[in-house]
Amino acid sequence: DNQMTQSPSILSASVGDRVTITCRASQSISSWLAWYQQKPGRAPKLLIYKASTLQTGVPSRFSGSGSGTEFTLTISGLQTEDFATYHCQQYDRYPYTFGQGTKLEIK
Amino acid sequence: QLQLVQSGAEVRKPGSSVKVSCKASGGSLSNYAFSWVRQAPGQGFEWMGMVVPMFPSTNYAQKFEGRATFTADRSMNAVFLELTSLTSEDTAVYFCARDRAPRHYGDDAFEIWGQGTMVTVSS
Repeated sequence: DNQMTQSPSILSASVGDRVTITCRASQSISSWLAWYQQKPGRAPKLLIYKASTLQTGVPSRFSGSGSGTEFTLTISGLQTEDFATYHCQQYDRYPYTFGQGTKLEIK
Repeated sequence: QLQLVQSGAEVRKPGSSVKVSCKASGGSLSNYAFSWVRQAPGQGFEWMGMVVPMFPSTNYAQKFEGRATFTADRSMNAVFLELTSLTSEDTAVYFCARDRAPRHYGDDAFEIWGQGTMVTVSS
């Protein structure tokens, strides 16, 4: 299986900050990577697909980049509603696999 | 706008089975793949597999082969997960999720998620 490793596991930041979360795949996945945001007790929300394409309705302060085995999610100008857990997922091949999640908390 | 509405929380004893439903509201199943993903308490997500109701076809993660069954009922506009031989390690929230694009475009990210169904396995 293709192992996905996110870092950091926990990230403390303040409103207005720019933050970056990294996701590494154990095998190349081209650009078949998605990022999701999850708030407690809620289903995940798709933010970015194909590594860098913003899902409709997602604010432009979210951006994704990368290809192959290394990917990043950047949030520029953190808003209060952005404090949540972020997950990456590869859909290059079965079984689809997810990172362990990065919890973004208020500093 | 399509919504996925899942059945309610379940409590089961070890060795038993559970069936979870996921109904499409405000639209049809159409030519999309539906995956089942679970999240154990405090853990990340685990993909269990998928069903494409239109064909129908299924794809199971090896870990769940023989223990999970995905079905679809197009007349009910619903997909189902049945998991047998439950153990405490199956305690988790189970989500159904629909691909972003129709199946003929290939594998895709999950655009629409159900609200989740908590399954607790305890003696």
